[in-house]
Amino acid sequence: AQRVTQPEKLLSVFKGAPVELKCNYSYSGSPELFWYVQYSRQRLQLLLRHISRESIKGFTADLNKGETSFHLKKPFAQEEDSAMYYCALSTGGGNKLTFGTGTQLKVEL
Amino acid sequence: DTGVSQDPRHKITKRGQNVTFRCDPISEHNRLYWYRQTLGQGPEFLTYFQNEAQLEKSRLLSDRFSAERPKGSFSTLEIQRTEQGDSAMYLCASSLAPGVFEQFFGPGTRLTVL
Repeated sequence: AQRVTQPEKLLSVFKGAPVELKCNYSYSGSPELFWYVQYSRQRLQLLLRHISRESIKGFTADLNKGETSFHLKKPFAQEEDSAMYYCALSTGGGNKLTFGTGTQLKVEL
Repeated sequence: DTGVSQDPRHKITKRGQNVTFRCDPISEHNRLYWYRQTLGQGPEFLTYFQNEAQLEKSRLLSDRFSAERPKGSFSTLEIQRTEQGDSAMYLCASSLAPGVFEQFFGPGTRLTVL
């Protein structure tokens, strides 16, 4: 069965510091991976997906099939990045999402 | 179109009562998903529809749970004989199909079973 692991429940960094949110997955098929973000009092929304290979709000994520990882990175954290971040794996014909437990990112001034 | 909407936003019920939630997806989206999220966890898949057909159900979806999407537009999720363990946030999402498209989430319905 597929699984997504986010080892950190909380990550606290200072403004301007680099950020790396870890995500590891297990899946026997070809993975489609996403990062979703939930800002305070807002709904869950897509941040980025691995196949688009784009940078959104300064965040990037590279799929490493050898290490089965999809870590989210940003070189310089901003206060507005404070949010809950979920890594998700899309599987099956219906593309249902399997989520990790999430990492709360707190950017301190 | 203001996105995926869910009603009600909050529901408090007593154990043993039945509850029904509604989800209105983005109008052109033919896929609709239900997820459940408990405290400290990520959303967990419950079921999904493509148009009016329910194509997959999770083992999490016990016999007390039933979902419908009668005309391929809005969907309802009913929980019969609620239990305290059903307390959670119930999320609806919609997307286009086929293909791996972004799922757009609603605000959720928070259920509290007393």
